[in-house]
This record gives sequence, structure tokens and C-alpha cells, in this order.
Amino acid sequence: EPEVTQTPSHQVTQMGQEVILRCVPISNHLYFYWYRQILGQKVEFLVSFYNNEISEKSEIFDDQFSVERPDGSNFTLKIRSTKLEDSAMYFCASSGETLNYGYTFGSGTRLTVV
Amino acid sequence: QKEVEQDPGPLSVPEGAIVSLNCTYSNSAFQYFMWYRQYSRKGPELLMYTYSSGNKEDGRFTAQVDKSSKYISLFIRDSQPSDSATYLCAMSDHKLVFGAGTILRVKS
Repeated sequence: EPEVTQTPSHQVTQMGQEVILRCVPISNHLYFYWYRQILGQKVEFLVSFYNNEISEKSEIFDDQFSVERPDGSNFTLKIRSTKLEDSAMYFCASSGETLNYGYTFGSGTRLTVV
Repeated sequence: QKEVEQDPGPLSVPEGAIVSLNCTYSNSAFQYFMWYRQYSRKGPELLMYTYSSGNKEDGRFTAQVDKSSKYISLFIRDSQPSDSATYLCAMSDHKLVFGAGTILRVKS
């Protein structure tokens, strides 16, 4: 069964450092997303991406965050200057249908900012 | 009022029991309703999705949506220890909005 693959599974970084979280969505999917889940809290929407541009972003997704699809297969989330409160599980998801279908999620990257 | 409300549990049932999980919501623009299962430190796994009101059955799982009451349910029949996980409701306008998740424990 097709999977969304995320790397690394766990990243530890110093506060203020830049991190890039990587995702390989399902190959024929057209819509890509990042969600995050702070420990013990809800899964929260960050950003959706379609046709090489951001289609929607949440208020969490401020200027410190950016997304890119650099080569037609990878989908990345960059956090420019990490803060302690960025520590969370980050999930990539993709969908081949409209925005309103259920998505396939990756296993997540656990980001720990120290 | 929160956009999606879900009792976090934990809900503990004996093996073989019927489990009922529920969410309420406030945004009448939601058209698609989903249930995800999440194991510890893993990504959400889609179990079922439903468009608008009605029922949908898949094996031991039944999803119900009542848009007039803004209430959705997931029923699990003949629950198994392997069903122990966190169950997340999610609903969609242009993005997924998740409930807090209900922790389910099925005891053998």
C-alpha cells in the first residue's frame, strides 16, 4: 500500500537553529499538507500546498515557516529559527482527491528543541 | 465553544464490547467527516470517511453523521485488544480540523 514517508523520525536541535523536515508524498497525489501535534494536544493544521504554491495556512504558520517542493517528489517544511515551543510531532500528509477527502499521513518527525 | 469537541477518555472496555465514540462540532460548513486511529508516536491512520449525513459501515466499524445535531459517532463492534489506540474525529471545510482524540483501551 502506498505510504507517505517522513525523515528523520526524530530531530533534536538547538534553539535558534534552522531545521528542515522532509516528506515524500504518495507519488500520484496532488495536495500536500503539514500538521503538527504538541505532546498531549490536538493535531493542528499548518499549511496546504497545491500546484506549487501554498493554498491555505494557519496562524501558526508564520514567517519562521516555509514549505517547498524542490524536485517533484520531496515536500519539505523549514523552520528558520526554532523556538522551544516548536517542539512537537510534525506530520506530512497527501491527498489525490479534493481538499475534502481523508488524507494519508506519514509517521511523523518528532522535533525536540533544546 | 470549541470548533470540534471530543471526550478524551480514557475509555476502558472488556474485549467483545461495543464501543461508541462521539464528537460534536459547531461549524455547519463541514461536509466531510472522518475517523482516524492513532497509535502512540505514530501518524493518524484513516479508518472511515463520510460525506454529509448518514451511516457508513466497514466490517466492525460504523460511522454515523447527524448534521442537524452536529454530532458524529463511530461504533466498534466486537472490540479487540488490538483496537486499543487513540481515535480522532476530523472534519473538513478546506482543511482537516481534529478533535482532541479519545483514548480507548480494550482489555482481554
